[in-house]
Amino acid sequence: IAGITQAPTSQILAAGRRMTLRCTQDMRHNAMYWYRQDLGLGLRLIHYSNTAGTTGKGEVPDGYSVSRANTDDFPLTLASAVPSQTSVYFCASSDGTSRPSEQFFGPGTRLTVL
Amino acid sequence: GQNIDQPTEMTATEGAIVQINCTYQTSGFNGLFWYQQHAGEAPTFLSYNVLDGLEEKGRFSSFLSRSKGYSYLLLKELQMKDSASYLCAVSDSNYQLIWGAGTKLIIKP
Repeated sequence: IAGITQAPTSQILAAGRRMTLRCTQDMRHNAMYWYRQDLGLGLRLIHYSNTAGTTGKGEVPDGYSVSRANTDDFPLTLASAVPSQTSVYFCASSDGTSRPSEQFFGPGTRLTVL
Repeated sequence: GQNIDQPTEMTATEGAIVQINCTYQTSGFNGLFWYQQHAGEAPTFLSYNVLDGLEEKGRFSSFLSRSKGYSYLLLKELQMKDSASYLCAVSDSNYQLIWGAGTKLIIKP
């Protein structure tokens, strides 16, 4: 693995179903992020984690949860999917939490909720 | 509130120069990033400015004026592969990135 991987690449999901999007990085970065990207709205932060064992809420956290059991993995869970959660989801990581630093992005997961 | 503005779409000709502007109002400022995003792909880092002035990196340059809350990305000698969206993002007081909606750049032959 080099960089950040996400799975699945795409998914069609029935409303009300539970879904976990996976994200793994091998750069030993402390900080990880989940964004959603919708046409015309840009990237919006859902949740973040500055270090393993800690998480925080971003701009649009409702309906989503995350965990950070170790440095490498940062899964995003939709407990009960709704059509408004149809979006492209990007996971990102960076090596700085107390200074500005470049974020590296995974390839994204395209999620459709019907 | 926090706000970052960029033009939605721009068109330019292969071989020409284009300037993509970004204005911002954020709670705190710890630098401004530009990213490139090709359709269907992830954003990739282009540049970072924290001090006023111009940073040049090959065909791409980025300018910042903190007093005006203004930045621009300058692309020279445009190539067809430069067709992409360009995202402006500001690092706020908590070092979180606040993102603009992006500017879609269309390059015509």
